[in-house]
Amino acid sequence: GAVVSQHPSWVICKSGTSVKIECRSLDFQATTMFWYRQFPKQSLMLMATSNEGSKATYEQGVEKDKFLINHASLTLSTLTVTSAHPEDSSFYICSARSAGNTDTQYFGPGTRLTVL
Amino acid sequence: AQSVTQPDIHITVSEGASLELRCNYSYGATPYLFWYVQSPGQGLQLLLKYFSGDTLVQGIKGFEAEFKRSQSSFNLRKPSVHWSDAAEYFCAVGAKNNDMRFGAGTRLTVKP
Repeated sequence: GAVVSQHPSWVICKSGTSVKIECRSLDFQATTMFWYRQFPKQSLMLMATSNEGSKATYEQGVEKDKFLINHASLTLSTLTVTSAHPEDSSFYICSARSAGNTDTQYFGPGTRLTVL
Repeated sequence: AQSVTQPDIHITVSEGASLELRCNYSYGATPYLFWYVQSPGQGLQLLLKYFSGDTLVQGIKGFEAEFKRSQSSFNLRKPSVHWSDAAEYFCAVGAKNNDMRFGAGTRLTVKP
């Protein structure tokens, strides 16, 4: 139980294009989802927290117009990197938390984004 | 604000040897503490967590961790390391209903 998937697992795109990353909770309803960014050999940095049906809450320094987050259902959240640039290249990881078990986050396998 | 410190960036141990990964936290109340493991290019897998109760927590893959309030520590241990344990280990602190903060991680290398 408590499986979280991400799609795609890796993506390469050209500078200036937009990329959408999906995060799904497969066997539970995720009232809250989190998006993290991880640079090589570094820790996870929280980008934003999204609650189903509400606007996401972004961490300081994260551009909400560049990293669009939508949490339209209890099993799906999407992160869209708009007008991507090479410095946006990173490993993006989502996690999900259910209403019935708010103490633990379950992590997806991550998405490797490379912007050329 | 909560924070986590993992003092060791990289640790190398021989297969079969014991392991201890250090984690110190800063938090105003009783924290929720976690240890996650990440293999290269993969997401995070939860090893164990501490919320309350017995301060010695057993996790998966033979790992355990001990919460010591007086030392603000939550060190991860394993009595005998296997080659498959080579990975990046992250300690995290959080609070009920809140987000988590991660340490910088400790990379474990296992020598044959």
